[in-house]
Amino acid sequence: GAGVSQSPSNKVTEKGKDVELRCDPISGHTALYWYRQRLGQGLEFLIYFQGNSAPDKSGLPSDRFSAERTGESVSTLTIQRTQQEDSAVYLCASSLGQGNSYEQYFGPGTRLTVT
Amino acid sequence: GENVEQHPSTLSVQEGDSAVIKCTYSDSASNYFPWYKQELGKGPQLIIDIRSNVGEKKDQRIAVTLNKTAKHFSLHITETQPEDSAVYFCAASQWFKTIFGAGTRLFVKA
Repeated sequence: GAGVSQSPSNKVTEKGKDVELRCDPISGHTALYWYRQRLGQGLEFLIYFQGNSAPDKSGLPSDRFSAERTGESVSTLTIQRTQQEDSAVYLCASSLGQGNSYEQYFGPGTRLTVT
Repeated sequence: GENVEQHPSTLSVQEGDSAVIKCTYSDSASNYFPWYKQELGKGPQLIIDIRSNVGEKKDQRIAVTLNKTAKHFSLHITETQPEDSAVYFCAASQWFKTIFGAGTRLFVKA
């Protein structure tokens, strides 16, 4: 079946502009995660959703970052007033349930470049 | 804060040799330790995992060991093949939050 999809695959934006990154999880997966991966580094947890609610937003780097999820499906990560340090690959993952009893399936990521 | 250290950052082996990657975690509440393989342009894919009530787990050419007292865990790949070349990440997890190591780039030379 279809895996996790993300769009766009690549995004180049000018410093100060807002960007929206989209994640389509695997159908039926109730949990959804966003991570940031800077060049040559591991994944940094940003936020997770159980259904449409986000119990933990502590990983969001600043108030310029926000995320929402509607209909227990698509999620959007929004970065306002982008900065060069926001350049990274943003990965989304989904799992059948919440917590680490369930495998996370990752999308291919969105590569964001802020010029 | 929570941290996972991973070594080495780069590993080059000859085809058929073994490869070992080691990780150390800081959060004693971590109870789940997955390993991911990431190929170029793709998201990470789970290859094996271990839970804190188990010391060792094996799946064909891949094995993981966990020493909870020392907060160490390791990935062992035997009889390496060129298609094993990728970046490998260890991670330590408690409930929904997963902390990743910085990754090991493995090169398997034919």
